[in-house]
Amino acid sequence: GQQLNQSPQSMFIQEGEDVSMNCTSSSIFNTWLWYKQDPGEGPVLLIALYKAGELTSNGRLTAQFGITRKDSFLNISASIPSDVGIYFCAGQNAGNMLTFGGGTRLMVKP
Amino acid sequence: DAGVIQSPRHEVTEMGQEVTLRCKPISGHNSLFWYRQTMMRGLELLIYFNNNVPIDDSGMPEDRFSAKMPNASFSTLKIQPSEPRDSAVYFCASSSTSGRVYEQYFGPGTRLTVT
Repeated sequence: GQQLNQSPQSMFIQEGEDVSMNCTSSSIFNTWLWYKQDPGEGPVLLIALYKAGELTSNGRLTAQFGITRKDSFLNISASIPSDVGIYFCAGQNAGNMLTFGGGTRLMVKP
Repeated sequence: DAGVIQSPRHEVTEMGQEVTLRCKPISGHNSLFWYRQTMMRGLELLIYFNNNVPIDDSGMPEDRFSAKMPNASFSTLKIQPSEPRDSAVYFCASSSTSGRVYEQYFGPGTRLTVT
């Protein structure tokens, strides 16, 4: 089946640092989405990307839909303690179903 | 606006018992998804409904699992009989097929523990 490879699996950074994580796939996706999950909660949608090459920002978050349609990255600028959580990428290429990556666990040291 | 509502938030049950998880999607959304999350397997899609009709149930692990959506505002996921390996967090998500159709919104999840 389709797989999304998300990296890194975990990151431990200092508050104020920028963060970058990415997702790659052997399959083409038509839509990429990025979610954040806090402990004990469901994933929350951060950014949705609908066109190859699209670059979209949401506050300190910036995500890009790769030109090959097989990858996407998420950047967080000037990290703060509340950025802690697990970040998931998800891709869509048929019907309404999403395929999720394995997640990047972000830890921020104050 | 209310988000996706799931109940119960936590469920502890003994092996062999029946478990029913409940979900109320966002009002106006007509697609509903059930996911299971474990450390080993991550987020797995179990089944999804469109306009109350099951469209893809290929992710349902086995016949012990069943899901229904009797109307646009309510869905259940039932496990009968439950087994310890069913322990996981179960999420319900909803989306709309008009507008930004691929944006799924998740509920807070039900943490199921089967002893």
